[in-house]
Amino acid sequence: DQQVKQNSPSLSVQEGRISILNCDYTNSMFDYFLWYKKYPAEGPTFLISISSIKDKNEDGRFTVFLNKSAKHLSLHIVPSQPGDSAVYFCAASEGYNTDKLIFGTGTRLQVFP
Amino acid sequence: DAGVTQSPTHLIKTRGQQVTLRCSPKSGHDTVSWYQQALGQGPQFIFQYYEEEERQRGNFPDRFSGHQFPNYSSELNVNALLLGDSALYLCASSLAWQGMDGYTFGSGTRLTVV
Repeated sequence: DQQVKQNSPSLSVQEGRISILNCDYTNSMFDYFLWYKKYPAEGPTFLISISSIKDKNEDGRFTVFLNKSAKHLSLHIVPSQPGDSAVYFCAASEGYNTDKLIFGTGTRLQVFP
Repeated sequence: DAGVTQSPTHLIKTRGQQVTLRCSPKSGHDTVSWYQQALGQGPQFIFQYYEEEERQRGNFPDRFSGHQFPNYSSELNVNALLLGDSALYLCASSLAWQGMDGYTFGSGTRLTVV
């Protein structure tokens, strides 16, 4: 049972444009969500997070939107840069201080010149 | 400031054998979590160790066991290896009660079972 779903395995975007990565979840107990970025041969690195009490969180070029009623979140990257090319994982947890993350299957983003 | 260190980076084992993977947490971190990432999948939670005790466990069989040492480093042991155990094993460290933003992942150990 996949509780966190990333239905787009890949996304290709031109440099300077917006990248939008989507994530859906099924478990209504999830109340903290994170995005990780992973380069080949490296571990995932934390990018940005959002609590369920918010619907938007921004950090520089990265913005995460949360729609609780739709159980959907998205990551916007503006403007996209070639260095953003990586696999992006959406993850969820039941609470801010908890023991485990539930990950999606990832979306491979390619930003081309 | 050293991050999370995992060893070895790659490993090939035969079906039925046993394997031990090692993790040194980021300086200052006291909690270690282990994840299995199969090809084309996201990481799956195996278990977490805090104060040398297993705090929570994911949906993995008893063949998967772990240990945390007084210096907070950790080992993941897998017995009776199956072909399906082939995966990238990720260790993440954090500070207890710091929150999920504080998770720091290592680069992983790539285990291949033949």
